[in-house]
Amino acid sequence: GAVVSQHPSRVICKSGTSVKIECRSLDFQATTMFWYRQFPKQSLMLMATSNEGSKATYEQGVEKDKFLINHASLTLSTLTVTSAHPEDSSFYICSALPRGLDADTQYFGPGTRLTVL
Amino acid sequence: LAKTTQPVSMDSYEGQEVNITCSHNNIATNDYITWYQQFPSQGPRFIIQGYKTKVTNEVASLFIPADRKSSTLSLPRVSLSDTAVYYCLVALRGALTFGSGTRLQVQP
Repeated sequence: GAVVSQHPSRVICKSGTSVKIECRSLDFQATTMFWYRQFPKQSLMLMATSNEGSKATYEQGVEKDKFLINHASLTLSTLTVTSAHPEDSSFYICSALPRGLDADTQYFGPGTRLTVL
Repeated sequence: LAKTTQPVSMDSYEGQEVNITCSHNNIATNDYITWYQQFPSQGPRFIIQGYKTKVTNEVASLFIPADRKSSTLSLPRVSLSDTAVYYCLVALRGALTFGSGTRLQVQP
């Protein structure tokens, strides 16, 4: 149980285009999902917190108009990188927090490798 | 968010027990301690979680002293496939702040 999937696993796009990444909790409902970014040889950096049915909360320094997050259901959150540039190339990872009082473990997706040419 | 401090790297050999200690002096009363394992180009994988004393599952043990200001992840008899980065985090249903983690290298 507690499986989180991401799609696509890797994507290559041209500079200036937009890319959408999906994060799904496959066997549980998640009221909260998180989006992280990880550059090579570095740790994960939190980008935003996404709550179902409400606007995402972005970390300082993360542009909300560039990284659009939608959490339309209890099992799906999407991250759209708009007008992508080469510096946006990174490994994007989502995590989901299961619904319920005893649930305090985040489960991570496999990640999406974004390469912007 | 509580900060954590871990050794940057550790080396071990196959079959040995590995203990990775994490300091979290500012842990809040309701925070849980969670350890994750990450392989290159993969998302972190949950290993173990605890609040106090000792927790054991099929892959690891977690030791937490009474003051909860530190915790130790114990991996019994590591194998080559345990080579990875291990992260210690503290939080309660909130966003996780990842430190640098501990890069464990297991040699034959």
